Amino acid sequence: QTVVTQEPSFSVSPGGTVTLTCGLRSGSVPTTFYPSWYQQTPGQAPRTLIYSTNIRSSGVPDRFSGSILGSKAALTITGAQADDESNYYCALYIGSGIWVFGGGTKVTVL
Amino acid sequence: EVHLVESGGGLVQPGRSLRLSCAASGFTFDNYAMLWVRQAPGKGLEWVSGIHWNSDYMGYADSVRGRFTISRDNAKKSLFLQMNSLRAGDTALYYCVRGSGAYYSKDGFDIWGQGTLVTVSS
Repeated sequence: QTVVTQEPSFSVSPGGTVTLTCGLRSGSVPTTFYPSWYQQTPGQAPRTLIYSTNIRSSGVPDRFSGSILGSKAALTITGAQADDESNYYCALYIGSGIWVFGGGTKVTVL
Repeated sequence: EVHLVESGGGLVQPGRSLRLSCAASGFTFDNYAMLWVRQAPGKGLEWVSGIHWNSDYMGYADSVRGRFTISRDNAKKSLFLQMNSLRAGDTALYYCVRGSGAYYSKDGFDIWGQGTLVTVSS
């Protein structure tokens, strides 16, 4: 069973930068896993931020960026704002028609 | 404006069936893959199933394979999820999601609906 790992929580100061990661319990995350990132605030539907590693979804501000850092996919928030306080999920396409989500990272801005 | 509206959720007994629907508007439906993602109360997101733009490929999570069937009707701009042999563990908010492109297997997720709640309980 493929397990996608994310940090449980992160704290960032307003205006600061934070990098969330998305990895595999065993192995590296290649671009062919098409890593994607989603933001969800409590009680709301998720919103797509990034797909295919680094492509921003329509309307997403450029302070959100995606990349591969070392063996993991990464989401960087530059110039964090109060309304960035949310849960962030990554998803990976692991082949054979299957996507797997990570457990999510709760980001606090304070 | 792109809209996805799910329907068909509700309370159902274990072992019974339910069919979810998703009505799409505001985009050319048959240009895009479609997916279902669910979220159990207080838990994270779980991919359930996906279907290519032309229905020539469908995929399922291990947890639902053999019990759930995804389908689409491009003429009616609709996506469906037939759920059989439902279990308590299937209780969740089910989201209809438009893919980023025509092939769900690589293009990922893009636009999300608001979800329909399925509760499996006796």
